[in-house]
Amino acid sequence: DTEVTQTPKHLVMGMTNKKSLKCEQHMGHRAMYWYKQKAKKPPELMFVYSYEKLSINESVPSRFSPECPNSSLLNLHLHALQPEDSALYLCASSQVRGGEDTQYFGPGTRLTVL
Amino acid sequence: EDKVVQSPLSLVVHEGDTVTLNCSYEVTNFRSLLWYKQEKKAPTFLFMLTSSGIEKKSGRLSSILDKKELFSILNITATQTGDSAIYLCAVAGANSKLTFGKGITLSVRP
Repeated sequence: DTEVTQTPKHLVMGMTNKKSLKCEQHMGHRAMYWYKQKAKKPPELMFVYSYEKLSINESVPSRFSPECPNSSLLNLHLHALQPEDSALYLCASSQVRGGEDTQYFGPGTRLTVL
Repeated sequence: EDKVVQSPLSLVVHEGDTVTLNCSYEVTNFRSLLWYKQEKKAPTFLFMLTSSGIEKKSGRLSSILDKKELFSILNITATQTGDSAIYLCAVAGANSKLTFGKGITLSVRP
């Protein structure tokens, strides 16, 4: 089983709203990732968690706040977003934070900021 | 700065054709190269290559890595309309970060 699940599938929010994206995997993976993907562009890395600790933050604005409550869950809290933040947000996981471990992606959350 | 270049950027073929997708890279501390297929949603894993010259094969898809010349190819034989997708090449380098190419849009016509 190589399934990563994400909820919700679609999200529409105003610039003053607070919302959260959720990601879950039950493969025993200890590294989890958030990516942002704009139309016709490749995924861009936002955050990496390794063993539930934030290990990489790719200079992401503070209106995006990640959280890893346990080894199976990864959240992305959203607050005061801008219309240009509209994108597909992808979660991925891998066995360990190591280059030889495949990252498996979830189906993504399509976010629209009005 | 790590760099991954895919070519061609788009390709239109007819069912039954064979296609070759290219990926070249410049990455610090290369660890692995991955191919993904992306249709309407998330990238789906196809292959991971770490050793040069070893071919990975799954059905009609195969891939090989040349670590000396810093490139990989993805071959698809007997293409079907279901192969229409964006094919992403990504390379894991220092800190295990994946650097993606821009992707190759493949359209297979009946």
